[in-house]
Amino acid sequence: DQQVKQNSPSLSVQEGRISILNCDYTNSMFDYFLWYKKYPAEGPTFLISISSIKDKNEDGRFTVFLNKSAKHLSLHIVPSQPGDSAVYFCAASAYRQAGTALIFGKGTTLSVSS
Amino acid sequence: DSGVTQTPKHLITATGQRVTLRCSPRSGDLSVYWYQQSLDQGLQFLIQYYNGEERAKGNILERFSAQQFPDLHSELNLSSLELGDSALYFCASSAGGTGASYGYTFGSGTRLTVV
Repeated sequence: DQQVKQNSPSLSVQEGRISILNCDYTNSMFDYFLWYKKYPAEGPTFLISISSIKDKNEDGRFTVFLNKSAKHLSLHIVPSQPGDSAVYFCAASAYRQAGTALIFGKGTTLSVSS
Repeated sequence: DSGVTQTPKHLITATGQRVTLRCSPRSGDLSVYWYQQSLDQGLQFLIQYYNGEERAKGNILERFSAQQFPDLHSELNLSSLELGDSALYFCASSAGGTGASYGYTFGSGTRLTVV
């Protein structure tokens, strides 16, 4: 059973517009959420995270929103740039639960066209 | 360069064989995590070691095993290989036992092809 779901395998956006990537989770024990970005032939790289005690975290062009009641988070990229084209993974962790690690979704491939 | 080194980058082997994937964590990191990425699948957590001890276990098959050595490098052993084991295998590291808030640092992966 998938605990972290990214239901959109792909997303296409024009340069300068907003990209919104979505993620849903099922485990109410998750208390940290992270987004990773992956280019071809490279490993995933950490992008931004949010604690469950917050509902928003911003870092430059990247903002993550968390809706705990809906068990939903989203990553907003504004404005989108061609260099943002990559696979984006949502990940979650039950930080206080021993014996667990980051659980990843299947990823969303973002294509930003110029 | 993320600081996490994985070798080899590519591996082609036949069904039934055994291979060993190696990972050197980022300097100072005590935890090593192994993930598998198959076609159309996300990153599936396999196993975590922290300072030489197994800390967490995910969807790791009995044919697979891992260990972390005193110098903190880790090896993932895959035996009786099947076609379905073809995947990208990633190693990641973190300073602490969970690393949840600041994430893990990933290597560039080992692509295993079983023929």
